[in-house]
Amino acid sequence: AQSVTQLDSHVSVSEGTPVLLRCNYSSSYSPSLFWYVQHPNKGLQLLLKYTSAATLVKGINGFEAEFKKSETSFHLTKPSAHMSDAAEYFCVVSDNAGNNRKLIWGLGTSLAVNP
Amino acid sequence: EAQVTQNPRYLITVTGKKLTVTCSQNMNHEYMSWYRQDPGLGLRQIYYSMNVEVTDKGDVPEGYKVSRKEKRNFPLILESPSPNQTSLYFCASSSLDRSNQPQHFGDGTRLSIL
Repeated sequence: AQSVTQLDSHVSVSEGTPVLLRCNYSSSYSPSLFWYVQHPNKGLQLLLKYTSAATLVKGINGFEAEFKKSETSFHLTKPSAHMSDAAEYFCVVSDNAGNNRKLIWGLGTSLAVNP
Repeated sequence: EAQVTQNPRYLITVTGKKLTVTCSQNMNHEYMSWYRQDPGLGLRQIYYSMNVEVTDKGDVPEGYKVSRKEKRNFPLILESPSPNQTSLYFCASSSLDRSNQPQHFGDGTRLSIL
């Protein structure tokens, strides 16, 4: 069975400092991995996706994630945090078994950005 | 603009009063799905649909019904809502053209069942 573990429920950084949100996954298949962001009272927006074409994936708003198969990790990073980055971030693996494209979600990491 | 539209965005209602949350997408996606989001439990899949007239249960289907009579619409029906269905609901859609296609989400529907 596939699963996702986000290692930190809360992360707090200062504006202008790097962001690291950690994610480990478990998958029996070649995984499809995503990061989504949820701003307060907003929907879920795709940040980036792992397509197996490259292990370092670039997303929107300056975010990146690196797929490391040996470590079963897909950590999200950003060199310099902005106040607008404060949100809930979800690491997600897609269960491609059978026909269902069910998304299996981590429990989320709440990112706070301090001035 | 490509989007998934859910209505209503907010609803407060009472136990047992049937309600429907609508979901519509304008991207001609084959796949649609409903999730609920609860604190400490993350997002869990309720139902999904691979195409018109093809639907199946997700992880938490009890108390819910869906239909897929048209490709663009995938309503979620609560025949007799109960307080444990108070939650934030998301509809999503994606193409089945290739693997790794991301799912596009609506803005969510916050339901409160009293």
